[in-house]
Amino acid sequence: AQKVTQAQTEISVVEKEDVTLDCVYETRDTTYYLFWYKQPPSGELVFLIRRNSFDEQNEISGRYSWNFQKSTSSFNFTITASQVVDSAVYFCALSEAYGSSNTGKLIFGQGTTLQVKP
Amino acid sequence: AAGVIQSPRHLIKEKRETATLKCYPIPRHDTVYWYQQGPGQDPQFLISFYEKMQSDKGSIPDRFSAQQFSDYHSELNMSSLELGDSALYFCASSLERAGGDEKLFFGSGTQLSVL
Repeated sequence: AQKVTQAQTEISVVEKEDVTLDCVYETRDTTYYLFWYKQPPSGELVFLIRRNSFDEQNEISGRYSWNFQKSTSSFNFTITASQVVDSAVYFCALSEAYGSSNTGKLIFGQGTTLQVKP
Repeated sequence: AAGVIQSPRHLIKEKRETATLKCYPIPRHDTVYWYQQGPGQDPQFLISFYEKMQSDKGSIPDRFSAQQFSDYHSELNMSSLELGDSALYFCASSLERAGGDEKLFFGSGTQLSVL
């Protein structure tokens, strides 16, 4: 069965600190997709990244970076120089592959609440 | 850019009433997904539609039904509402057909409160 675990329930940092959100997943599939979504207090789910299981290259997008380690089944998310606006719940999610892409049936982790204090 | 539109944003119902939630996907997107997020919980997949046909089913109660129409919008119908149905209901859309962008984009959600 597929499962996503975000062991950190809540993290609190001071602005400008770096913070890493952990995500560990379980799947028997050889091909799968991993996602990160941000849910700010307003409630919407904001897409951050999608990564397939064959692409282990780390990715950087501005202050955001992702470290995919297939050997440890982890897909961690780092925010560099955090800002108050980064305060939100962050969800890691997993989907099985369908053909050459993912399905939209996502298995979410429990979410990590990040609070960035000024 | 146009996003996924959900209506209403907030809905208050009483037990045993019915509710209809609407979702308008991103233009040209052919697939719609419904998720339910209880208070303090992660979103749970309910059901999905591709080209107006049900494509997958998750933990959707028998009291709920959904469909996708010819213009690709979708409606989630909920009957005999229970207190436990109070949740944030998300709709998401993607373009699944060959060559499409399969990233999943979510709407802002409908907050349903059952009293």
